[in-house]
Amino acid sequence: TQLLEQSPQFLSIQEGENLTVYCNSSSVFSSLQWYRQEPGEGPVLLVTVVTGGEVKKLKRLTFQFGDARKDSSLHITAAQPGDTGLYLCAGGLISNFGNEKLTFGTGTRLTIIP
Amino acid sequence: DAGVTQSPTHLIKTRGQHVTLRCSPISGHKSVSWYQQVLGQGPQFIFQYYEKEERGRGNFPDRFSARQFPNYSSELNVNALLLGDSALYLCASSLGFVTGGDNSPLHFGNGTRLTVT
Repeated sequence: TQLLEQSPQFLSIQEGENLTVYCNSSSVFSSLQWYRQEPGEGPVLLVTVVTGGEVKKLKRLTFQFGDARKDSSLHITAAQPGDTGLYLCAGGLISNFGNEKLTFGTGTRLTIIP
Repeated sequence: DAGVTQSPTHLIKTRGQHVTLRCSPISGHKSVSWYQQVLGQGPQFIFQYYEKEERGRGNFPDRFSARQFPNYSSELNVNALLLGDSALYLCASSLGFVTGGDNSPLHFGNGTRLTVT
C-alpha cells in the first residue's frame, strides 16, 4: 500500500506554462521532501519542508507543506524543457530506532514540450 | 569528490538464482540505505545500515539481506530470485543516523538495473 499518492501521474505541457503537482496522504509526516529523477540516474533532493504551512522557493519552483503535515504541493512557474523528469515526494516517519524512514510517493512524470 | 557508486550497473539473472549488489557511499558518510524502484513507481525502502548495524527494515521477505562493512560500503543480497524482483535497486548514503532532511540529506547512486528472466 502506497502511503503517499501523487497527482497527476503524468503531465505534458508547453514551455512557459505553469503547473502544480500534488502529494497527498492520510499520515502525518515529520518532514516532506521533493526529489527529481532523470532517466538512468538516482533521485536528487530538491527541498525539505518540516513545519506545517511552510513554503520554500527554489528559483521557479515553490514547495508548500500542508498545515496538518499530511500533504504537499510543488508549483513550477514558466516551465522549461530542463524541468522534464520524474518528481517524487517522500514523507519522513520516525522509526523505532529513532531515525527517519522515508516513504516515497508514486511519482509524477513531467514532460515540458519546447 | 565521488558520489555514491553502485555496481554492477545492469544485471540479468534467471529465476531461483542469487544476486549481490554493491554500494560505496560518499567518503565520510556512515549510513547506507537500500531502495527498490519498480518501473513506474516510487522507490520502496528495503534496509538502512548505520555504523555496520541494521537500523531499519522495510516490508520485504527474508530473501533480502544486507550488510555494511568497516569501510561503510554495503552489499544487498537477494536469494531465490523471482520475476517480481526485476527493478532498479538504489543505494543512498547520508552523513548521520537520522537520514533525510537538510541536516543529513540522502545522496542516491544511479542504481543497479536487475532483470530476472
